[in-house]
Amino acid sequence: SQTIHQWPATLVQPVGSPLSLECTVEGTSNPNLYWYRQAAGRGLQLLFYSVGIGQISSEVPQNLSASRPQDRQFILSSKKLLLSDSGFYLCAWSPPGLAGGNEQFFGPGTRLTVL
Amino acid sequence: AQSVAQPEDQVNVAEGNPLTVKCTYSVSGNPYLFWYVQYPNRGLQFLLKYITGDNLVKGSYGFEAEFNKSQTSFHLKKPSALVSDSALYFCAVRDKGYQKVTFGIGTKLQVIP
Repeated sequence: SQTIHQWPATLVQPVGSPLSLECTVEGTSNPNLYWYRQAAGRGLQLLFYSVGIGQISSEVPQNLSASRPQDRQFILSSKKLLLSDSGFYLCAWSPPGLAGGNEQFFGPGTRLTVL
Repeated sequence: AQSVAQPEDQVNVAEGNPLTVKCTYSVSGNPYLFWYVQYPNRGLQFLLKYITGDNLVKGSYGFEAEFNKSQTSFHLKKPSALVSDSALYFCAVRDKGYQKVTFGIGTKLQVIP
């Protein structure tokens, strides 16, 4: 069966510090991968998605970046955090391709607080 | 372009009563529609989806949803609510041929004992 991991679970960082959040998926190959941010416990904002290694699509221009160095690894980074980067970050995966209306499977999330 | 609306910020229902959480969508083509549930400080969990075929879709934990093309709606329903159903519910849509999924802002369901 497939499993998705995210770490860390919680993170408190000062403004201006760097960020690295990691997401890994087990039990599947060539998944589509997604990073979302959820602010104030409500709507999800799609940040990045990837359909393959090294292929990243950015949805929101900001000081965050994403990388996919391996097939089942997705990393969210920042060189300098802003207060507005605080939120709940969710990684998700779905089976490859567009056909079939595949649902997404979400990780447990990372709670980031920027002080 | 695709969009989804959840018109109710919160829905309150008594335990044992039927519940409905509303969702309407807009797509240029044919939609894939999804419902997810989120418990506090957790990731989203998939409940059910509409791809094609029967307009009534059954999912996890006794939930079901009805696809109505003429009203562009996909309301989530359950015949008898449980206190444990209290959570945040998200409707989502993806236009066929597109990679991205658009989520609604979520509806908080409160089941009162």
